[in-house]
Amino acid sequence: EAEVAQSPRYKITEKSQAVAFWCDPISGHATLYWYRQILGQGPELLVQFQDESVVDDSQLPKDRFSAERLKGVDSTLKIQPAELGDSAMYLCASSLAGANYGYTFGSGTRLTVV
Amino acid sequence: GEDVEQSLFLSVREGDSSVINCTYTDSSSTYLYWYKQEPGAGLQLLTYIFSNMDMKQDQRLTVLLNKKDKHLSLRIADTQTGDSAIYFCAETNNAGNMLTFGGGTRLMVKP
Repeated sequence: EAEVAQSPRYKITEKSQAVAFWCDPISGHATLYWYRQILGQGPELLVQFQDESVVDDSQLPKDRFSAERLKGVDSTLKIQPAELGDSAMYLCASSLAGANYGYTFGSGTRLTVV
Repeated sequence: GEDVEQSLFLSVREGDSSVINCTYTDSSSTYLYWYKQEPGAGLQLLTYIFSNMDMKQDQRLTVLLNKKDKHLSLRIADTQTGDSAIYFCAETNNAGNMLTFGGGTRLMVKP
């Protein structure tokens, strides 16, 4: 069964350092999402791509977060500098087109900032 | 904007039925979803219901939708210990291109 791949699985970083996460969506899925899930809460959208274009990044803290999907396939989410409050699970999801019929999520990257 | 609310916790005995409830605000949502998250894992789509339906059944899962009250529920029949997880309700936004999730309900199944 096709999967959304994410790496690394776990990341521990010191505050003020830079950190990056990678996501490879299911082949052919044009829409890619990055969500952040703080412990004990539901996922919250950070950024949505349609192919290589950003559709919605209104909730992305742009002073420290950036996301790109240069060739419309895999994507990178970067945080620089990391802050203690960034500790969370970062989930990537993809869909063929939009949200109807739901997304497929990856296993996530658990970030701990110390 | 969209807002999805769920109760935090539910505990049941193995073999009993579980009912997880959710309320949402966006009456224009086309689809509503239930996802399951096991510890340390991503979210797994369990089932979804189209907004013009009242009920959908899929093996042990039954989804009920009360569109008037904006209330969605997930019933799990014959709950097993493997059903212990966090269950998230989600709705689509107006444009149908993204999901908004509730805070999740932690289901604990006691043997």
